[in-house]
Amino acid sequence: DIQMTQSPYSLSASVGDRVTITCRASQNIKKYVNWYQQKPGKVPKLLIYAASSLQSGAPSRFSGSASGADFTLAISGLQPDDFATYYCQQSYSAPYSFGQGTKVEMK
Amino acid sequence: QVQLQQSGPGLVKPSQTLSLTCAIFGDTVSSNTAAWNWIRQSPSRGLEWLGRTYYRSKWFNEYAEFVRSRITINPDTSKNQFTLQLRSVTPEDTAVYYCVGYDSSTDWFDPWGQGTLVTVSS
Repeated sequence: DIQMTQSPYSLSASVGDRVTITCRASQNIKKYVNWYQQKPGKVPKLLIYAASSLQSGAPSRFSGSASGADFTLAISGLQPDDFATYYCQQSYSAPYSFGQGTKVEMK
Repeated sequence: QVQLQQSGPGLVKPSQTLSLTCAIFGDTVSSNTAAWNWIRQSPSRGLEWLGRTYYRSKWFNEYAEFVRSRITINPDTSKNQFTLQLRSVTPEDTAVYYCVGYDSSTDWFDPWGQGTLVTVSS
């Protein structure tokens, strides 16, 4: 099974900051990574698919990149609406797996 | 636009069977491109994919190894829905359970049902 190791577990940031979150896959998954945002009491919402493609309707301050087994979600110019928990997910093969989540909190 | 509507009890006793249903609107459970999944979420274990059912000329089911001996996911074509049964539950199965669609043309989880908090307690 493919493991997704996500870091950091949490981070504190201010409005306007640039924030990066990383996931490392336990094996080669090409670019089959999606990123979701989840707010309390809500379902996860897709932000990035196929490692670097912005989902329709997602703000352009979100971006994704890949380098080997490492995948990064970046938020450029953090907005108040961005304080939430973020998850990576591999879509390369079942059983599909998620990272442990990164909670972005206000500093 | 595809929508999923979950139903089922929020409280299950230890050793009993957890049963949830997910009704599909705007697509069919027999779609040749979609797969219908159950995912759960708890503070201690995060998001966990439990399994899926899908139709590709015949029915397929796939389950996560850690629940394989206890889980059944079934399609119900007459009602256009799919069900989850998780047997012999323990308090560690307490979680929010989601039914989730997945299309092979997109390769991401969407849409999500509204979620059902299932508590395992006597």
